[in-house]
Amino acid sequence: SYTLTQPLSVSVALGQTARITCGGNNIGSKNVHWYQQKSGQAPVLVIYRDIYRPSGIPERFSGSNSGNTATLTISRAQAGDEADYHCHVWDSDTVVFGGGTKLTVL
Amino acid sequence: EVHLVESGGGLVQPGRSLRLSCAASGFSFGDYAMHWVRQGPGKGLEWVSSISWNSDYIGYADSVKGRFTVSRDNAENSLYLQMSSLRPDDTALYYCAKDASTDYAYFDFWGQGALVTVSS
Repeated sequence: SYTLTQPLSVSVALGQTARITCGGNNIGSKNVHWYQQKSGQAPVLVIYRDIYRPSGIPERFSGSNSGNTATLTISRAQAGDEADYHCHVWDSDTVVFGGGTKLTVL
Repeated sequence: EVHLVESGGGLVQPGRSLRLSCAASGFSFGDYAMHWVRQGPGKGLEWVSSISWNSDYIGYADSVKGRFTVSRDNAENSLYLQMSSLRPDDTALYYCAKDASTDYAYFDFWGQGALVTVSS
């Protein structure tokens, strides 16, 4: 079965750029979606189809996907960006989530 | 505004059954696929089941196949998950999520979840 690998944790200094990766075999051929989940809250879609931002999501959030790695980039990180981030793809009509990455803003 | 409200969670003994419901509002429910995703205590997201807009396409995670049944009532704007033969490892917060399309794409809105605890 298809698996997605995310780092357990990523730290970023306030105002700097955070990059959260999602690794999978030839993931560049798939559409990757990203969800932000703040503590005690439901997930929120922040990036869909690799690079697109839903309305209401700041431009500081961007995505890319190529080869075996998809990346969620958060520019000018704010304290409010602290959350778990989950990547998601479809494979053979099943949903696959990455294990999630905890982003800490220092 | 899209609203998804799950209900039906609770404490249940292993081997028993439970039915979750998800009441949808703020969008044309019958036009979108819907999904169930769960999250165990301190764990990541785990897909449970998906159902297309017209119920023609239904999928389940291997961990629940044969025990859980998803259904929907487009006239009632409701999604359901019938869970049977529950096990302790089914303990989780169960989210209802709306797809952005009629089939399977991505989850653009999520409910707040219903907590299911399986324990004797």
